[in-house]
Amino acid sequence: DTAVSQTPKYLVTQMGNDKSIKCEQNLGHDTMYWYKQDSKKFLKIMFSYNNKELIINETVPNRFSPKSPDKAHLNLHINSLELGDSAVYFCASSPYTGGLTDTQYFGPGTRLTVL
Amino acid sequence: AQKVTQAQTEISVVEKEDVTLDCVYETRDTTYYLFWYKQPPSGELVFLIRRNSFDEQNEISGRYSWNFQKSTSSFNFTITASQVVDSAVYFCALSGGGTSYGKLTFGQGTILTVHP
Repeated sequence: DTAVSQTPKYLVTQMGNDKSIKCEQNLGHDTMYWYKQDSKKFLKIMFSYNNKELIINETVPNRFSPKSPDKAHLNLHINSLELGDSAVYFCASSPYTGGLTDTQYFGPGTRLTVL
Repeated sequence: AQKVTQAQTEISVVEKEDVTLDCVYETRDTTYYLFWYKQPPSGELVFLIRRNSFDEQNEISGRYSWNFQKSTSSFNFTITASQVVDSAVYFCALSGGGTSYGKLTFGQGTILTVHP
């Protein structure tokens, strides 16, 4: 029944580790996104994919790599985690081709804590 | 460059009061969309409304209403007769064209606390 789901909901790890966050949507949407929400609640886009192709890649360290095995899934892999990566990461999806008209629907978020 | 400003960082009201959340945006695009999202204490982001730049009609949905004024680049959100369940962080966002195509630019958010 869940529209956009993310796993895990909470992730606590040590500096230097590699971790992944998974996202799945069952809305039949073509475009998926990753956003980062910092400790001050500010939301900023990181990536977006349309039908498995990268279309938006903001200024994000190379340690972050999105992977889209199919249009219903967009995973986020993070290498060599740093303290500053601690944040809430939101996955979102929208219909069509990621155009300005599309409403984005968000997952529940993954709270990443790097110790 | 696109920008969304929510000047009110925090608002505190007592239940049944009306409250207006301000949103001012900047864009050079002639076609753009504006959104409001709600983030309750549970943390998820809930879509509330989408408005395109050519439609300046105000919209009402139950206790919620939105006032879009292109002349002042504002898209304000009013909650009538607020309830404790309205306590949340509210985000205004903008989607435009050009290099911003397909991404949402969010404001800083307004924390609304409704006291019983």
